[in-house]
Amino acid sequence: DTGVSQDPRHKITKRGQNVTFRCDPISEHNRLYWYRQTLGQGPEFLTYFQNEAQLEKSRLLSDRFSAERPKGSFSTLEIQRTEQGDSAMYLCASSLLPGVETEAFFGQGTRLTVV
Amino acid sequence: AQTVTQSQPEMSVQEAETVTLSCTYDTSESNYYLFWYKQPPSRQMILVIRQEAYKQQNATENRFSVNFQKAAKSFSLKISDSQLGDTAMYFCAFILSSSNTGKLIFGQGTTLQVKP
Repeated sequence: DTGVSQDPRHKITKRGQNVTFRCDPISEHNRLYWYRQTLGQGPEFLTYFQNEAQLEKSRLLSDRFSAERPKGSFSTLEIQRTEQGDSAMYLCASSLLPGVETEAFFGQGTRLTVV
Repeated sequence: AQTVTQSQPEMSVQEAETVTLSCTYDTSESNYYLFWYKQPPSRQMILVIRQEAYKQQNATENRFSVNFQKAAKSFSLKISDSQLGDTAMYFCAFILSSSNTGKLIFGQGTTLQVKP
């Protein structure tokens, strides 16, 4: 296993278009997170999956955002009707239950630019 | 609200020297875990060091050590014998022990440049 992988690495889209990002966590990890990181800032939590169940969503996750993790494996994050304010790095991380303190492993992120 | 503050947006250090990155945090809870993550340019974030709040002894990992002051809610990172590969953005973060999700709360980051 080579770690958490995200696809694509970069995405440029026009305002109003829909985009979808994919995250493949470390295979045995049952926790999966999405974070958003804007330039020069720290990552902000977006949503959390435990296996296939989405157990927490941040208020940052507007109705235009949706995330899934079918069968508790890979996850997708979709943004509908993109806005310029959506431009950011979207990071995926995974970790292993039990224990909240277990190390989270991050992917390299998908950098979204909305023009 | 839980917050993390890193008051040094940028720092630089000469190779082989020692540098300390500052971090303060705010939470009303008494049990939590503190972390320093490193994000090298164009590479994924990796864990540098972790500290359990119930432990008084400061964590160390090779050249990396922390100064944890629970009463002051301070968690600084010391890098000894700085190497060029330490150039990166460093994030301080914590997780509440009461969290069901283990979500990390991050600071704004400190960009560290190690100069030859």
